[in-house]
Amino acid sequence: AQKITQTQPGMFVQEKEAVTLDCTYDTSDQSYGLFWYKQPSSGEMIFLIYQGSYDEQNATEGRYSLNFQKARKSANLVISASQLGDSAMYFCAMRFYPSGNTPLVFGKGTRLSVIA
Amino acid sequence: NAGVTQTPKFQVLKTGQSMTLQCAQDMNHEYMSWYRQDPGMGLRLIHYSVGAGITDQGEVPNGYNVSRSTTEDFPLRLLSAAPSQTSVYFCASSSRVSGANVLTFGAGSRLTVL
Repeated sequence: AQKITQTQPGMFVQEKEAVTLDCTYDTSDQSYGLFWYKQPSSGEMIFLIYQGSYDEQNATEGRYSLNFQKARKSANLVISASQLGDSAMYFCAMRFYPSGNTPLVFGKGTRLSVIA
Repeated sequence: NAGVTQTPKFQVLKTGQSMTLQCAQDMNHEYMSWYRQDPGMGLRLIHYSVGAGITDQGEVPNGYNVSRSTTEDFPLRLLSAAPSQTSVYFCASSSRVSGANVLTFGAGSRLTVL
């Protein structure tokens, strides 16, 4: 079965510094997509960034980038120049394509705290 | 454009009671799903639907029923609530289930079963 692992339950980072949130996955499929979501204390789920397994370049969206290492099966989220508003839960998720209608599977999340 | 609307936002039930969490989307999305979120467990898929009349089970379907009679609505039914079903429930939808289609989430429904 496909599995997403986020090994860091909690992380601290100083404001304006960069931080990497780890995500590894386990699949034998070749075709899949990786997503990161942010959940602030208000509870809503906010989509941050997407990477397809066949994308040759790492995805970037503003201060967010996805460090995709296919051979290592990792899809780490990098947040540059951290801001206090980045304090939140972050979830890595995957969708596996070959079987067609495959839903999104989430990791357990990492709580990021940004310190002033 | 309201997106994904969940009702109610908060609900307290007694063990054995039944209730329905409502989910509606106005984006003409084919795919809809229900997740539950518990501390330290992330989001776990309960049920999902790839179109009207089609539903399937996720990781934790026991104790929950769903139906999809229209594209817009995907209600989640608890037939006999148990304390283990105390959780925050999220409904989410996307235009298709494949590719880079991003899930749009509702605001969540917090359920407490006493």
